[in-house]
Amino acid sequence: DGGITQSPKYLFRKEGQNVTLSCEQNLNHDAMYWYRQDPGQGLRLIYYSQIVNDFQKGDIAEGYSVSREKKESFPLTVTSAQKNPTAFYLCAASDRGKNEKLFFGSGTQLSVL
Amino acid sequence: GQNIDQPTEMTATEGAIVQINCTYQTSGFNGLFWYQQHAGEAPTFLSYNVLDGLEEKGRFSSFLSRSKGYSYLLLKELQMKDSASYLCAVFYNQGGKLIFGQGTELSVKP
Repeated sequence: DGGITQSPKYLFRKEGQNVTLSCEQNLNHDAMYWYRQDPGQGLRLIYYSQIVNDFQKGDIAEGYSVSREKKESFPLTVTSAQKNPTAFYLCAASDRGKNEKLFFGSGTQLSVL
Repeated sequence: GQNIDQPTEMTATEGAIVQINCTYQTSGFNGLFWYQQHAGEAPTFLSYNVLDGLEEKGRFSSFLSRSKGYSYLLLKELQMKDSASYLCAVFYNQGGKLIFGQGTELSVKP
């Protein structure tokens, strides 16, 4: 079943702790993205990667880090520097050159304990 | 910036027609998407416009005017299940990224 898998569905972070959100895709798409969504707001871009071993900051990258060592995987780490991490996190992928339509994972809800 | 504006919320009646507007900055424009999102779920693709005009897909249609930086999503024969957030998103050449509006929360009443 092709698609994007995010895990876990729910995640809790303690003060001062780093946590990593997983995103795996088997669509063979080059580009992958991480968005954050707060209640009543749209999606805000954290980081994106257009090709393996390369990534760019989005609009709200501070307090986050990513890696893109494999085409299939684009994990997001929420560091202790991110003071307000509670949000719904969405990972997406797109096939560059084919209208950039995004395919989304099911999301991870991160909360602070 | 690349501001994308759409109304925060709208209410409509079951069986009626509703139009959700979206305006955006035109510089670097390279395509506009509409997504539907139910609470706590991932957005699902509805439509894509890159040329001026109307794209029709069943009960949903999307219109684009590139010169005006304007799009709308038209929903016909509204059903209760259409209650959701509708997201307008624009792909900009510069940086190669998709920027989302805040979303329009649509409530369909009986």
